[in-house]
Amino acid sequence: NAGVTQTPKFQVLKTGQSMTLQCAQDMNHEYMSWYRQDPGMGLRLIHYSVGAGITDQGEVPNGYNVSRSTTEDFPLRLLSAAPSQTSVYFCASRASGHYYEQYFGPGTRLTVT
Amino acid sequence: AQKVTQAQTEISVVEKEDVTLDCVYETRDTTYYLFWYKQPPSGELVFLIRRNSFDEQNEISGRYSWNFQKSTSSFNFTITASQVVDSAVYFCAQDAGNMLTFGGGTRLMVKP
Repeated sequence: NAGVTQTPKFQVLKTGQSMTLQCAQDMNHEYMSWYRQDPGMGLRLIHYSVGAGITDQGEVPNGYNVSRSTTEDFPLRLLSAAPSQTSVYFCASRASGHYYEQYFGPGTRLTVT
Repeated sequence: AQKVTQAQTEISVVEKEDVTLDCVYETRDTTYYLFWYKQPPSGELVFLIRRNSFDEQNEISGRYSWNFQKSTSSFNFTITASQVVDSAVYFCAQDAGNMLTFGGGTRLMVKP
């Protein structure tokens, strides 16, 4: 099992550019989520999905889009990058049920200039 | 709304000292789940423990122990006889209703 994989590991964008962060898991988890990590603020939930075709907003969704066409994949799209979106992005997945822990990908470090 | 507070942003100890990381949570839910994660310098997030709101038993795993007290809304984490490898950022988190809320994290530095 590869677990949760994310690509790319590093990315530099110019303000206004768009891009997609890829996330995939091979554990057949229904629940997937995206977080951003900023210094001193812990991780904040951007969007999550409880299954294919179902997505919902988290705490900081503005400027990001998601879709979930398969159980395995949960891409995060930045529509028009802004310097405030400079952050480390983590994708996670877990089995159905709040009791279960989330498994995190290795993260993507994004810099917007 | 949920909120998780880790008041200690940074702690520095000398190897073999015991250290306690504090976590205070806020919620109106009666059913919720609490977690601790470790983020070593390499950057990945590692799951350490979970607790549900109906289980107030303390837990010990080797040098790690956790104290969950609903009366004070706290879920504290103690490392006994700390080691340099324990140096990391530790996050407390709460899940109620599909949203995992993290505290700001406590950076623990263990010096030899």
